[in-house]
Amino acid sequence: RKEVEQDPGPFNVPEGATVAFNCTYSNSASQSFFWYRQDCRKEPKLLMSVYSSGNEDGRFTAQLNRASQYISLLIRDSKLSDSATYLCVLYRDDKIIFGKGTRLHILP
Amino acid sequence: ETGVTQSPTHLIKTRGQQVTLRCSSQSGHNTVSWYQQALGQGPQFIFQYYREEENGRGNFPPRFSGLQFPNYSSELNVNALELDDSALYLCASSPQTGNYGYTFGSGTRLTVV
Repeated sequence: RKEVEQDPGPFNVPEGATVAFNCTYSNSASQSFFWYRQDCRKEPKLLMSVYSSGNEDGRFTAQLNRASQYISLLIRDSKLSDSATYLCVLYRDDKIIFGKGTRLHILP
Repeated sequence: ETGVTQSPTHLIKTRGQQVTLRCSSQSGHNTVSWYQQALGQGPQFIFQYYREEENGRGNFPPRFSGLQFPNYSSELNVNALELDDSALYLCASSPQTGNYGYTFGSGTRLTVV
């Protein structure tokens, strides 16, 4: 079983809709969690850190559920520019572990 | 504030050769990590340096080695190149290990022929 698992998608979502995806992790010792986005042929960019209390940044909300070992990302009022691959990342024991990413296509 | 810069941007090497990739960390960042990203995959963690010491390593063989310099810039060295080493190599820096996100450079695309 991979340490970080994500649905690869693609998620095809109409502009203006709300979309959510989850990422599960297997090692309960994981310490920190992040969402990154990666555009085609570009480097990953930090979207937000993820906390148990939940955090929001504009249209984006992230949540960590330690009991069930998953993190989630919710995007409201999606824009065409949200089309990208969303990478779930965790930090554990001085290792940074990326999921394979979920592809999101926002349709006009 | 300058971001993370990597050089070269593209490189072609022959199987069996050695390669050195370079990374300048973002100003104020003392932690640098390196990743290998194959097409269609997430980045795979190679190793991390904090204040010139390796302080974390992924599942890569010893022919992948690195250095961090006093100015926190870093090198990734790969010996005895194999065809499967062809990938995008990303460097990222952070103000500290662990709880802070990482800022990535735009990568070096290595092709081994």
